[in-house]
Amino acid sequence: NAGVTQTPKFRVLKTGQSMTLLCAQDMNHEYMYWYRQDPGMGLRLIHYSVGEGTTAKGEVPDGYNVSRLKKQNFLLGLESAAPSQTSVYFCASRLGTAYGYTFGSGTRLTVV
Amino acid sequence: QQQVKQSPQSLIVQKGGISIINCAYENTAFDYFPWYQQFPGKGPALLIAIRPDVSEKKEGRFTISFNKSAKQFSLHIMDSQPGDSATYFCAASAGGTYKYIFGTGTRLKVLA
Repeated sequence: NAGVTQTPKFRVLKTGQSMTLLCAQDMNHEYMYWYRQDPGMGLRLIHYSVGEGTTAKGEVPDGYNVSRLKKQNFLLGLESAAPSQTSVYFCASRLGTAYGYTFGSGTRLTVV
Repeated sequence: QQQVKQSPQSLIVQKGGISIINCAYENTAFDYFPWYQQFPGKGPALLIAIRPDVSEKKEGRFTISFNKSAKQFSLHIMDSQPGDSATYFCAASAGGTYKYIFGTGTRLKVLA
């Protein structure tokens, strides 16, 4: 049982480049989330999904897009990376609203 | 009204001492209050959680105290150990909603 797997673990991008972060869960969870973690800011929600084919904006969605084509996968895209998007990105999933989150181990992204 | 305010930002405790982290909220619709523990390079993991129908919940050395009238809850770590050194996040959610509101985190260091 792998839980929540994030790829890649580390990435360095140049300003203006694009990339996709992949989150995969094998727990048949309905809800999936993308957070970013910055020093002193805690965890801020970027986008989330309440089921296959659905997505919704969180607190800080600008500059990011997401897709949930399959229940087990939640993709986070950066179309044109900016230095302000340098952060650690965490994916999380949960079975339902009565359950806690399971987090992945994170992706450390640096935009230069 | 959606914020959860967490303090202190950092905490240093001697081995064997008590670590106390506090959180305050405004939204009276919140009805689930989890605490997450995060070690460096890892994703947050659920530590303990409480619902407002009880004033205290204890799991081993970890205790949540909940004060509904003051809209505050706190994490107490008894007999703190160097292995408890981590970042702790409080969170809150309202029933039926899809996402947590996280505090900004407390970095705990327990000195040997």
